[in-house]
Amino acid sequence: DSGVTQTPKHLITATGQRVTLRCSPRSGDLSVYWYQQSLDQGLQFLIQYYNGEERAKGNILERFSAQQFPDLHSELNLSSLELGDSALYFCASSVSGATEAFFGQGTRLTVV
Amino acid sequence: EDKVVQSPLSLVVHEGDTVTLNCSYEVTNFRSLLWYKQEKKAPTFLFMLTSSGIEKKSGRLSSILDKKELFSILNITATQTGDSAIYLCAVVGTSGSRLTFGEGTQLTVNP
Repeated sequence: DSGVTQTPKHLITATGQRVTLRCSPRSGDLSVYWYQQSLDQGLQFLIQYYNGEERAKGNILERFSAQQFPDLHSELNLSSLELGDSALYFCASSVSGATEAFFGQGTRLTVV
Repeated sequence: EDKVVQSPLSLVVHEGDTVTLNCSYEVTNFRSLLWYKQEKKAPTFLFMLTSSGIEKKSGRLSSILDKKELFSILNITATQTGDSAIYLCAVVGTSGSRLTFGEGTQLTVNP
């Protein structure tokens, strides 16, 4: 158990819908990362927050947004969902951007 | 843009064999290189290598970093079926703002 908690574990929703994925980082970690892993693809960086502020942005679609709250948990919002958004979404956390990151178990999103 | 290339993409060996996984990278202002093991779901952290720590070892696993040639290797000796997984290499560059992952090496260890 990495100490990073993601909910829900599985999510099935229809095209056009909006979902929210939640991540609680390890105790003491200030940095949260979101990654997308599609079938047969590597981990694609979406966005990073550090102590409540956006630190870096990757190839995140405009339909996706995220935030980190004062208690350091983070949420990833995916809207106007398309079939191609079906993937595993991972959250990872680290003490800072320069230390090792630990991953949650992921949320498997299936868009039908 | 930071880039990580891993090779081979897949590898099948027998229990007891020794394997070497490769990771080459291009990164702006290198800070660290990390190895992860991904079995069914979440990647689990193995090693982090930095300028001040270019060699790490844990049991049958070891890794070295060559900052001059911009690559790292992960060695697994006396492989076991439980070593079957995808091994991911990632680098952290400018501002420590993200881990950039390679595509991974799918290792299969047969009994």
